[in-house]
Amino acid sequence: QVQLIQSEAEVKKPGASVKVSCKVSGYTLTELSLHWVRQAPGKGLEWMGSFDPEDAKTINAQNFQGRVTMTEDTSTDTGYMELSNLRSEDTAVYYCATVRQYLLWYWGQGTQVTVSS
Amino acid sequence: EIVLTQSPATLSVSPGERATLSCRASQSVASNLAWYQQKPGQAPRLLMYGTSTRGTGIPSRFRGSGSGTEFTLTISSLQSEDFAVYYCLHYSNWPLYTFGQGTKLEIK
Repeated sequence: QVQLIQSEAEVKKPGASVKVSCKVSGYTLTELSLHWVRQAPGKGLEWMGSFDPEDAKTINAQNFQGRVTMTEDTSTDTGYMELSNLRSEDTAVYYCATVRQYLLWYWGQGTQVTVSS
Repeated sequence: EIVLTQSPATLSVSPGERATLSCRASQSVASNLAWYQQKPGQAPRLLMYGTSTRGTGIPSRFRGSGSGTEFTLTISSLQSEDFAVYYCLHYSNWPLYTFGQGTKLEIK
């Protein structure tokens, strides 16, 4: 069984960056594909992207082009999502999720990121 | 980019009755359509994938149907724990994903 444990809530000022972590247990990160999804207050789910280990690049949704970087540390089985140039609209719960049979199957508990001056 | 449109935005149904939720794709996604259930303060939970295959531990009162661009999630005999927000998701462009905007199923 895969378990995903995410980092604690963050409060950031506009223009800053935030880095959220997602620790995997039950499997090694090399066996999984880790994706990121966010949910603004009272809004729906928005897929952000994933890390492609084959070329060590971020595959991301167009909405986040140039602002999001996803990385992985296979020595600690931890994935990271860094979002830069934060604005108030980035206030949301950020989830990591792993893929099984092409689907977002196992989810982390979510990390609240608040952007406020 | 394929857009998923869910309807209605909010559905009010009494316990014990049936609920029908719709998801329409702007172009064909074949059968690569999944449904998720999300309750307040919780992460989404996979309900259905491949249009009509139930996820782990999902009761048989949940049924998915459709193909191409029109999909339906039917919940027969609603239980109190079924009132939640439901999202459809297409994965025909994996590893890219797109969610629908969600349908809130509330108690009438």
